[in-house]
Formats: sequence, C-alpha cells, structure tokens
Amino acid sequence: AQKITQTQPGMFVQEKEAVTLDCTYDTSDPSYGLFWYKQPSSGEMIFLIYQGSYDQQNATEGRYSLNFQKARKSANLVISASQLGDSAMYFCAMREGLGSGGGADGLTFGKGTHLIIQP
Amino acid sequence: ETGVTQTPRHLVMGMTNKKSLKCEQHLGHNAMYWYKQSAKKPLELMFVYSLEERVENNSVPSRFSPECPNSSHLFLHLHTLQPEDSALYLCACGPGKYNEQFFGPGTRLTVL
Repeated sequence: AQKITQTQPGMFVQEKEAVTLDCTYDTSDPSYGLFWYKQPSSGEMIFLIYQGSYDQQNATEGRYSLNFQKARKSANLVISASQLGDSAMYFCAMREGLGSGGGADGLTFGKGTHLIIQP
Repeated sequence: ETGVTQTPRHLVMGMTNKKSLKCEQHLGHNAMYWYKQSAKKPLELMFVYSLEERVENNSVPSRFSPECPNSSHLFLHLHTLQPEDSALYLCACGPGKYNEQFFGPGTRLTVL
C-alpha cells in the first residue's frame, strides 16, 4: 500500500488565485513528520514546509500553509496568491519514527502534482 | 556556495561502462542520502549514510555501489547498468532544523 498518496497528477491555476494540493498518508507510527517539496524543471528539490505529528497548529511559511487534519491523515499544501514562478512539481513526503533513529532516516515520497500557473 | 552540489549534471553511459556520481555538501550535516527518481514514479530511497557509516540499503542491486569517505562527500559507483537504470539521481543531506533534507540538483543518467 502506498504510504503517501497525491491524487492530482496535474493542476492548472490562474495567477493570483489560491491553490490546494492534496496529500494523504498512511502510518501507524504516532511520531512522524510531513514535508512538502517543490521541484522546478531544473531538478533540485526545494524544501517548503514541515508539519510534525504532535504539532498543535498548522504550519505556515510565507505564502505556504499546511492544512493538517490528523484524524483524516491528510496534509494538504495551500499556496496563497499564486505566482508564475510557482509552476513546478510538488511532492508530499513523510518520515516515520521521529523519536528514534538519530535523524538519519530517509523520506517516503508521493508521486507528485504538476502545478501550472497561467497568466 | 550552494549547499549540495552534484557532478556530473548529465551522464550518458553504455551498459559495460563504469562511472561514478559525486555529491558534496557544505552544510555540516551528519547524514547523506542517495535517491532515484524515475519517470512517473515516486522518489526511491537507495542508500543512507550517517556519520560515514551505511545505515540503510534499500534493496538496491549490487551494480550500484555507494561510498562515503567523509561527512562531506558521497559517491555512487556505477557498473554494468541496465537501460531501466536511466533516471535522475538525487543526493541529499540532513537532518535540518525540521528534520528536512537538503537536495542537490541531481545527475540525469541515461544508460544506452
């Protein structure tokens, strides 16, 4: 079974509109972290935002916010006031077992959403 | 100076060749990672090194051989690859403040 599911292969959004990218996850570990990365056509993965499973509030970072619904196991990324430069692939990722492992564990990624911002 | 660099950025090789991918990090993190990104598939974790010791090998074929001589450098040695090994190979280091990983720009590998 997939641990990270991103159901939107592609999205077209008008510039300046808000956009929500969906992500659901599957884990039985009570301690985990959720991440969103942006990958432009250049290939580099850029870290955007993080949500810990015990965090009481939704994470925010500039125009990015994470709509964390723990009971539903969803961690949707919201981009406000979209810009042309936001066009890229967006990946949701998870790291389980944050209480152990010394921080060296790898991330599990979803298949990504290709976001295209139209002028 | 950028945090994580990878060389070469593009590589074309035949199935009988031997080549190496190089990754260098300037962020002072203790762990380094190799990921494989194939078309229409999620990123796949290949290897994890922590303090220069391999801590995870995600069932990767032996034609891929990693090496971590120190905490700043990571190599992926390639030999007798198959065309299905063509992919973007991404190096990362971490963990950061939020347990995040920092990625390099990747090496686009084509196996003929």
